[in-house]
Amino acid sequence: AQSVTQLDSQVPVFEEAPVELRCNYSSSVSVYLFWYVQYPNQGLQLLLKYLSGSTLVKGINGFEAEFNKSQTSFHLRKPSVHISDTAEYFCAVSVIQGAQKLVFGQGTRLTINP
Amino acid sequence: NAGVTQTPKFQVLKTGQSMTLQCAQDMNHEYMSWYRQDPGMGLRLIHYSVGAGITDQGEVPNGYNVSRSTTEDFPLRLLSAAPSQTSVYFCASSLRGRGYTFGSGTRLTVV
Repeated sequence: AQSVTQLDSQVPVFEEAPVELRCNYSSSVSVYLFWYVQYPNQGLQLLLKYLSGSTLVKGINGFEAEFNKSQTSFHLRKPSVHISDTAEYFCAVSVIQGAQKLVFGQGTRLTINP
Repeated sequence: NAGVTQTPKFQVLKTGQSMTLQCAQDMNHEYMSWYRQDPGMGLRLIHYSVGAGITDQGEVPNGYNVSRSTTEDFPLRLLSAAPSQTSVYFCASSLRGRGYTFGSGTRLTVV
């Protein structure tokens, strides 16, 4: 079975500062990796995904993530955040061979202070 | 394209009542799933489908039924609502390896 751990439940940062949201996963088989964002009272929106190839993945809104197979991590980064980035962020995995079930972490609430 | 459409957006049920949450997608996606979201617990998989006529249980299936008679529709049925089923429910659909597209959610309260 797969599992995902988001190491921080809340991350407060100042506007224009860099941010890293941490995600570790556990799986005995190869997986796809995803980051989703959820703005207040909305559904989830796909930020970026790692399927194969380059371990540095760029997504929407200036976010990027790096896949590290040896450390089983997929941390999300942004060099300079904006107030509009305030949201909850979810890391998720799905097994490459199989039913494409998504397993989510518990989420990280990113709060941007002016 | 409408994407993934969920209805209703809000619902209040009394304990013991039954209801169906509707989900439809117009992207010809083969995979569809239902999740529930509770504070501090992320999203947990209730049921999923890999194609019309094929469904299976996820992590928290008890108290819920699904069916998938067409590629487009994947309704979730609550058989006898309980307060523990108060949650926000999300339907999602996907092609293999593309990442899921989520609906806007149904906020359900059971009193």
